[in-house]
Amino acid sequence: SQTIHQWPATLVQPVGSPLSLECTVEGTSNPNLYWYRQAAGRGLQLLFYSIGIDQISSEVPQNLSASRPQDRQFILSSKKLLLSDSGFYLCAWSFRGRSTDTQYFGPGTRLTVL
Amino acid sequence: AQTVTQSQPEMSVQEAETVTLSCTYDTSENNYYLFWYKQPPSRQMILVIRQEAYKQQNATENRFSVNFQKAAKSFSLKISDSQLGDTAMYFCAFMKPDGGATNKLIFGTGTLLAVQP
Repeated sequence: SQTIHQWPATLVQPVGSPLSLECTVEGTSNPNLYWYRQAAGRGLQLLFYSIGIDQISSEVPQNLSASRPQDRQFILSSKKLLLSDSGFYLCAWSFRGRSTDTQYFGPGTRLTVL
Repeated sequence: AQTVTQSQPEMSVQEAETVTLSCTYDTSENNYYLFWYKQPPSRQMILVIRQEAYKQQNATENRFSVNFQKAAKSFSLKISDSQLGDTAMYFCAFMKPDGGATNKLIFGTGTLLAVQP
C-alpha cells in the first residue's frame, strides 16, 4: 500500500528566514505530486504540481518554490519567509497518467511565521 | 473558471441521526469528478466519497452517500447513523480531468460538522 509522509509536522520560523518542507511517497512509482496551502478557516489552494522529476508547475505567484529531486520526493522552499506564508501545508499524490484519479493527502505541516 | 460553494459554515447533529451537507458548483464542463474530503482535528485530509459526473447512480460508501444532481450542479453528502468520530470539517471538491497531465482539485470553504452525544 501507498503512504505519504511530511515533515516537520510543526514549524515556527521568523520573518525573513528560509524554509524547507519535505514530502515523500512510498509504495508507488512516478506519482503526480502536489503542494497545497490551507489558510485559517479556508479551503485548500493548490500551489504547485509535478508530473515528474524537475517537472514542476506553479499555480499562483508567491514567495515559495518547489523542487522534485527524486521521483517520490517533493520539497517546498522559500528563501525569505513572509508573515503571509503562515498556514497549513499539505502534500498530496495521485497515480501518474490517470487523469481521473483521486488525490491522497499527507498529514500536513503547520507553519507559523512570526 | 470552476467554483465550489458550501453555504453551511457549521452544522450540528445528534449521534445516530442523519445529516446532509450541501455543495454546489459552477462549471461549463460536461466531464468532471466531485469529491467529499473529511478533515478531522488531526487536520489530515481523508477521502470520503467520489462521484464521476457521467454516472447517474449516486455513489455510496457505507454510511456516506451523495445526492448528485448534475443539471442543478448540486452535490450533497448524507451521513447516516452519525458517530462521534464523524466530527470534522468536510470539504467538497471539483476536478476537471486534464488529459492525464494533472488533476487540479478546486475546494469549497468547508462545513464544520459537530456530532453531539
